[in-house]
Amino acid sequence: EAQVTQNPRYLITVTGKKLTVTCSQNMNHEYMSWYRQDPGLGLRQIYYSMNVEVTDKGDVPEGYKVSRKEKRNFPLILESPSPNQTSLYFCASSLLGDLALHFGNGTRLTVT
Amino acid sequence: AQSVTQPDIHITVSEGASLELRCNYSYGATPYLFWYVQSPGQGLQLLLKYFSGDTLVQGIKGFEAEFKRSQSSFNLRKPSVHWSDAAEYFCAVGARGSYIPTFGRGTSLIVHP
Repeated sequence: EAQVTQNPRYLITVTGKKLTVTCSQNMNHEYMSWYRQDPGLGLRQIYYSMNVEVTDKGDVPEGYKVSRKEKRNFPLILESPSPNQTSLYFCASSLLGDLALHFGNGTRLTVT
Repeated sequence: AQSVTQPDIHITVSEGASLELRCNYSYGATPYLFWYVQSPGQGLQLLLKYFSGDTLVQGIKGFEAEFKRSQSSFNLRKPSVHWSDAAEYFCAVGARGSYIPTFGRGTSLIVHP
């Protein structure tokens, strides 16, 4: 089954404790992206990647890192999480230039 | 840069009634246009997309949308709503050659029995 898999689904952590949210897709998509969803603000793009070793900032990249060492994986790294990063995070992928995104089921992160 | 406006934060309809969700975009040329649906606790699922050609686009779950260039709109429609259609709906626009689609803030659809 074609899918985007994110882990974990729920994560509660404390300020400053590094964490990684994993994302993997099995559709051989070149394009992968991370979004955060906040009430009243819709979805905002954090980072995106057009292929292995190619990443770029989206609208709200501050406080986040990503890497794309393999085509199927695109982890989101929070080196020093802060409470304003409490949000619902989505990973998405698509064929390059298509922009018809396939989304994971989300990771709800709470930073206390 | 492109932008998307979904004027309605909430829409309430009765089951079996018709539905139209509004989406207006701002972009200098013909954009890529999308509608996504998000059910509670789920990720977003693509309902339909417009790239070019026929301005009336058919999607999954009985939805359709019409691209109207003169009005910069891409409204989503369904002739008869089912209770399972209750969800959050997002319109998105993408510029050709760009890799940063812009999402609207969403419209929450409530379906009364």
